[in-house]
Amino acid sequence: GAVVSQHPSWVICKSGTSVKIECRSLDFQATTMFWYRQFPKQSLMLMATSNEGSKATYEQGVEKDKFLINHASLTLSTLTVTSAHPEDSSFYICSALSGTGVHEQYFGPGTRLTVT
Amino acid sequence: ILNVEQSPQSLHVQEGDSTNFTCSFPSSNFYALHWYRWETAKSPEALFVMTLNGDEKKKGRISATLNTKEGYSYLYIKGSQPEDSATYLCAFRGYSSASKIIFGSGTRLSIRP
Repeated sequence: GAVVSQHPSWVICKSGTSVKIECRSLDFQATTMFWYRQFPKQSLMLMATSNEGSKATYEQGVEKDKFLINHASLTLSTLTVTSAHPEDSSFYICSALSGTGVHEQYFGPGTRLTVT
Repeated sequence: ILNVEQSPQSLHVQEGDSTNFTCSFPSSNFYALHWYRWETAKSPEALFVMTLNGDEKKKGRISATLNTKEGYSYLYIKGSQPEDSATYLCAFRGYSSASKIIFGSGTRLSIRP
């Protein structure tokens, strides 16, 4: 099956710094990638839809200036958490749309971000 | 606001027993219903995607049914094994193939040896 990698798998950073998370589709091209966030004991919440070569579409309540998304190629999307605060600590996971059939989504393994 | 609910939140089952759990979703503007299996420290793994009312899908000991008119899907696991321990997520997609997926909060399944 299709493979999506995510890097780093976990990161600890200090308040005020920025963190970049990479999402790569390894064996297929993904024109669309999604970024999700999961709070403890809650569901995956869609943050934004990332389209290759165009601006990301953010969900209501997600600050686009804080969570910068870049989808520079058909296999790579990045999420940068700018000026991180402890409340940004969460589990971030990406998925990539395969573009076939009913458009199956393939997920990365996620990134655990802790802001101290 | 689209709401996708899963029940129960968690489930403990004896090895060898069969079990099932539920996903409820909006019954209007339905496009597809997805089931994922998510083990700790791994990527969610796609189990099934169902699009037609009355769909039944099977993969080994795991099967799923779909009722789009009443807005629910059941996931069944026959003869549970320890490796079935995971969180099972359902996700609803409405309107079109390109619309976003709305996830339920998952059912956490633990199998007791």
